[in-house]
Amino acid sequence: EAGVVQSPRYKIIEKKQPVAFWCNPISGHNTLYWYRQNLGQGPELLIRYENEEAVDDSQLPKDRFSAERLKGVDSTLKIQPAELGDSAVYLCASSPLGVAGNNEQFFGPGTRLTVL
Amino acid sequence: AQRVTQPEKLLSVFKGAPVELKCNYSYSGSPELFWYVQYSRQRLQLLLRHISRESIKGFTADLNKGETSFHLKKPFAQEEDSAMYYCALKDGSDKLIFGTGTRLQVFP
Repeated sequence: EAGVVQSPRYKIIEKKQPVAFWCNPISGHNTLYWYRQNLGQGPELLIRYENEEAVDDSQLPKDRFSAERLKGVDSTLKIQPAELGDSAVYLCASSPLGVAGNNEQFFGPGTRLTVL
Repeated sequence: AQRVTQPEKLLSVFKGAPVELKCNYSYSGSPELFWYVQYSRQRLQLLLRHISRESIKGFTADLNKGETSFHLKKPFAQEEDSAMYYCALKDGSDKLIFGTGTRLQVFP
């Protein structure tokens, strides 16, 4: 199995441009997470979905970031417009269940964004 | 505030030496703690969790609530253990809070 799939793997854009990242979770996983990892830091949660519902988006900068998970499977994270400080690795993860249980989060390879 | 602290950015040892990667946490409730590992050119993956009380690849970690620590230990390091290690805490809402990571280098 491919695991969590993300694309693109790398993206270089100029500031003020829009950018979108795509994630396909492991089949059957109804919980999906987007994390941002800045250089030298650990991942930080941006948003968590259970099926198609965003159940925790408290850390998502809503002025420029948006996310969607149509049909509760694939998800897209968008930044518009991008700023220099958005340069980071964006990680997607999925897990089979929600809050209940000790459910491992499986991570994708990440998208490395560079904003010039 | 919920926080995970990994005080060492880099830990270098020789093969066969003991390893201890430190992790301290701050959490008001009953924590769930994890160690994640990222080998070179690979994705982040779960190494072990405190609830399982298991040994994975020779690594163990014991939750010490008195010292609010969850240090990762291995008695004899191997070259293939070289990687980034992240300690993480799961809060009541299923959110993972990661530390800043420790790079382990094991020299031959």
